[in-house]
Amino acid sequence: DAGVTQSPTHLIKTRGQHVTLRCSPISGHKSVSWYQQVLGQGPQFIFQYYEKEERGRGNFPDRFSARQFPNYSSELNVNALLLGDSALYLCASSLRQGAPSSTDTQYFGPGTRLTVL
Amino acid sequence: GNSVTQMEGPVTLSEEAFLTINCTYTATGYPSLFWYVQYPGEGLQLLLKATKADDKGSNKGFEATYRKETTSFHLEKGSVQVSDSAVYFCALTLSGGYNKLIFGAGTRLAVHP
Repeated sequence: DAGVTQSPTHLIKTRGQHVTLRCSPISGHKSVSWYQQVLGQGPQFIFQYYEKEERGRGNFPDRFSARQFPNYSSELNVNALLLGDSALYLCASSLRQGAPSSTDTQYFGPGTRLTVL
Repeated sequence: GNSVTQMEGPVTLSEEAFLTINCTYTATGYPSLFWYVQYPGEGLQLLLKATKADDKGSNKGFEATYRKETTSFHLEKGSVQVSDSAVYFCALTLSGGYNKLIFGAGTRLAVHP
């Protein structure tokens, strides 16, 4: 079975530009989360989407936005890119949103490496 | 707030040595705990998990026990291989919320022949 897929693999942009990253979840998974991993650090939560609605948002500026489509794939958009946005952007999918007393394991894609010059 | 603290790396071991990577957490409520591994140039792979106190997660020779009394989830392996060289992340998620993972900073493991 196919895992989480992300595109593109690598991307180079200049300051001020915008970027769109794409993610396809594991078949049957309805929840997608986005994380930013700066070199040498652990991933930081950006967004979670479930059933096409935003269900959680991390401490990121409004330049970051996302959406989820009817087929549960997702896009992450970043406007007015800054040098500090250079990072590995990871997408993770899970069956459903977290529920009381349940554990919903998240499975990660290979990531998109964004370099801002 | 909720957080995860891991021992700083890099951890350098010879093949067949015993591995321990320490992880402690601070959390409100009852977290589930995870270890993810990241090989060079790749995304994260789930290594093991534990969802309640005293649970032991295990996979590929790695083990970790959820210790509520010490708020710890240390990763262990009895005999490491060169192929285990990677960055290991401890993480938690809280039930009742939206399943956000909170990660530690990661611990790099280098295993030499």
